[in-house]
Amino acid sequence: AQKITQTQPGMFVQEKEAVTLDCTYDTSDPSYGLFWYKQPSSGEMIFLIYQGSYDQQNATEGRYSLNFQKARKSANLVISASQLGDSAMYFCAMREDNTNAGKSTFGDGTTLTVKP
Amino acid sequence: DTEVTQTPKHLVMGMTNKKSLKCEQHMGHRAMYWYKQKAKKPPELMFVYSYEKLSINESVPSRFSPECPNSSLLNLHLHALQPEDSALYLCASSQEGQGGLGQETQYFGPGTRLLVL
Repeated sequence: AQKITQTQPGMFVQEKEAVTLDCTYDTSDPSYGLFWYKQPSSGEMIFLIYQGSYDQQNATEGRYSLNFQKARKSANLVISASQLGDSAMYFCAMREDNTNAGKSTFGDGTTLTVKP
Repeated sequence: DTEVTQTPKHLVMGMTNKKSLKCEQHMGHRAMYWYKQKAKKPPELMFVYSYEKLSINESVPSRFSPECPNSSLLNLHLHALQPEDSALYLCASSQEGQGGLGQETQYFGPGTRLLVL
């Protein structure tokens, strides 16, 4: 079973609008972390935001926020006020404390295109 | 500073060549990783070094040979590669020993684009 599912292969958003990128995960480990990375065409994987499984509040980092719904096992990324430079591939990832030797599991990614 | 550097940025090599990829971080991280990434796919873990010891080898062919000379450096030695090994090779690092692994962010370098002819 896939541990991280990103159901949107591609998304389009108008510049200055908000967009939500979906991520659902599957784990029985009570302690884990969820991460979002941005990968522009240049190739570098840029860390955006982190949410711990025990965190009570949703994580925020500037224009990025993580809509964490633990019961639904979802960790959607919200990008507010989209910019042309946000066009990239976005990966959701999970690391479990006690399972899978702490390896990161990545989703298949979502390609976001910001339209002017 | 969350910088991981990788050299070279691009590499073209023949199937009989020997080359090395280099990765460096100065964040005091004690875990370092090599990933292979094909176009439009997620990264695939190859190796993990923890405190300069190889802790995970994801059944990678022996034509890939990792080396961790010290806590800041990670090399990937390449020999007799195949065209299907052409990919983006990403290095990453993370802190260790500060709570659970689930709390440790991996920071990635810019990658080396490898083409095997």
